[in-house]
Amino acid sequence: DIQMTQSPSSLSASVGDRVTITCRASQSVSSYLNWYQQKPGKAPKLLIYAASNLQSGLPSRFSGSGYETDFTLTISSLQLEDFATYYCQQSYSIPWTFGQGTKVEIK
Amino acid sequence: QVHLQESGPGLVKPSETLSLTCTVSGGSISSRGYYWGWIRQSPGNGLEWIGSLYNSGSTYYSGSTYYNPSLKSRVTISGDPSKNQFSLKLISVTASDTAVYFCARDDKMGTILSDAFDVWGQGTMVTVSS
Repeated sequence: DIQMTQSPSSLSASVGDRVTITCRASQSVSSYLNWYQQKPGKAPKLLIYAASNLQSGLPSRFSGSGYETDFTLTISSLQLEDFATYYCQQSYSIPWTFGQGTKVEIK
Repeated sequence: QVHLQESGPGLVKPSETLSLTCTVSGGSISSRGYYWGWIRQSPGNGLEWIGSLYNSGSTYYSGSTYYNPSLKSRVTISGDPSKNQFSLKLISVTASDTAVYFCARDDKMGTILSDAFDVWGQGTMVTVSS
């Protein structure tokens, strides 16, 4: 299985901050990398697909980049509604696997 | 707008079978190009993909399924186009199968057709305990 490792596991930030979350794959996943946001008690929500494509209807402050093993999710200016846990997921090879999550908390 | 809703028992005894159903509204599980999947989430194992189903809706081709190899021996995912539902069966459950179970639409997105879960149910908690 391809292991997905996110860093940091958690971070504290303020509204307006630029936030960067990293996801590293144990082997190349090309651009087959997706990002999700999850709030407590809710299902995950797709943010970014195929490494850098913003899901329809979502704000442009979310962006993704990366290729092969190293990927980044960036929130350019953190808003109150962005405090949540973020997960990466690879869809390069079965089984699809997720990172362990990065919790973004209010400073 | 597609909506998914999980249903099934919240408590299952060890060694028994966990059975969940996902009802899809606002779209058809036979829609061309879409797979339909199950994912679970537990504190110990995080998010874990269980498997996905492609239901062609064709009389001649029932579709295909693919499963997480770690669960494949215990899992069956099937579809019922007449009810616009798909189901999960997990046999011989243990406490480690306790989790929130989500159903989701598994779409192939972007020019590279990356499998991504773009529509999710709200999730249902299943506890395995005697």
